Amino acid sequence: ETGVTQTPRHLVMGMTNKKSLKCEQHLGHNAMYWYKQSAKKPLELMFVYSLEERVENNSVPSRFSPECPNSSHLFLHLHTLQPEDSALYLCASSQETGAPRGYTFGSGTRLTVV
Amino acid sequence: GQNIDQPTEMTATEGAIVQINCTYQTSGFNGLFWYQQHAGEAPTFLSYNVLDGLEEKGRFSSFLSRSKGYSYLLLKELQMKDSASYLCAVMDSNYQLIWGAGTKLIIKP
Repeated sequence: ETGVTQTPRHLVMGMTNKKSLKCEQHLGHNAMYWYKQSAKKPLELMFVYSLEERVENNSVPSRFSPECPNSSHLFLHLHTLQPEDSALYLCASSQETGAPRGYTFGSGTRLTVV
Repeated sequence: GQNIDQPTEMTATEGAIVQINCTYQTSGFNGLFWYQQHAGEAPTFLSYNVLDGLEEKGRFSSFLSRSKGYSYLLLKELQMKDSASYLCAVMDSNYQLIWGAGTKLIIKP
């Protein structure tokens, strides 16, 4: 248990489905992140939230929609995904954006789009 | 563009020493991180270097040369549980983390 909890751990969804990924941290951190991890590729930053406000969106397709209702919770809403969206989705938190001591990651949601 | 290079895969023997290299080209530098990630698990923080030199933490050490854009992670007295992926990341001038693709380390008995 790292202090950042992600659910579900595994998700299989069809291209027409709508689903949501959930991330929760009780570390008192003010910044939260969504990353996409594909095999043999660097982590791709998708979204950054600082104090519940989105500060960065790295040109992510609109079929991914983030939500941060409070500083402890982060969601990633998914709809009409493509097979190439299959990957490990990691949530992370840090004391603040640009925290020099790095991030605390969750164990991820393994997403398969069929 | 910004780039982090590290070997895709390495193999080593239990009890031995292994060095995982990382070279980087980034817009500015605010520190270099090493993370360990076991299969199906969260990446976990191993080390942070912002000044040149060697930082030792038990069996793991991390070295940085800013002038060469180079770092390595040294693992001593390898154990089977050290089989994992090791991720190198650099924080650039905008305090964004730039990630390498990771090095998968396989430990053989």
